[in-house]
Amino acid sequence: NAGVTQTPKFQVLKTGQSMTLQCAQDMNHEYMSWYRQDPGMGLRLIHYSVGAGITDQGEVPNGYNVSRSTTEDFPLRLLSAAPSQTSVYFCASRLAGLETQYFGPGTRLLVL
Amino acid sequence: AQSVTQPDIHITVSEGASLELRCNYSYGATPYLFWYVQSPGQGLQLLLKYFSGDTLVQGIKGFEAEFKRSQSSFNLRKPSVHWSDAAEYFCAVGRAGGGNKLTFGTGTQLKVEL
Repeated sequence: NAGVTQTPKFQVLKTGQSMTLQCAQDMNHEYMSWYRQDPGMGLRLIHYSVGAGITDQGEVPNGYNVSRSTTEDFPLRLLSAAPSQTSVYFCASRLAGLETQYFGPGTRLLVL
Repeated sequence: AQSVTQPDIHITVSEGASLELRCNYSYGATPYLFWYVQSPGQGLQLLLKYFSGDTLVQGIKGFEAEFKRSQSSFNLRKPSVHWSDAAEYFCAVGRAGGGNKLTFGTGTQLKVEL
């Protein structure tokens, strides 16, 4: 198993540009999440999904959209990037009924 | 609302010395508690977790943690630190049926002196 994979590893955007951060898992996990990590703030939940077709907002959802058309994939979309979205983004997944989350390697995003 | 406090932002220990990283949580019911480690430029790796039962839990890489309900704490310990343990450590709290709503502490950066 590849586990949780994320692409790209690093991205530079200009303010107002859009992009999609990709996340995929091959463990047949029902639950998937997106977190952002900022210095001195730990990880904060952006959006999560408990299964295909079901998504919900986390702690800091503004400026981000998600969809879950398949069990394997959970892309995060930035429609109009802002400098405040400069961060490291982590995708995570877990099986329903088990609380241990598995994290991807992260995507480092810089918005100029 | 649940919250996690890691009071130590940075800790420096000598190789071979013992280590204790502090974690205090706030949660109304029995929490699910986790410790993750993040090496530079890497994702988060689960060290150990506590759901119920024995309050002293063993994890990977020789780490252990003790759940103390009376103190709302879940401190991480290691008897003898290795240089490769230098990393950032995160404590997190979740709840049963809480989806993926883990709440993380702000992290403790561990430096190991040779």
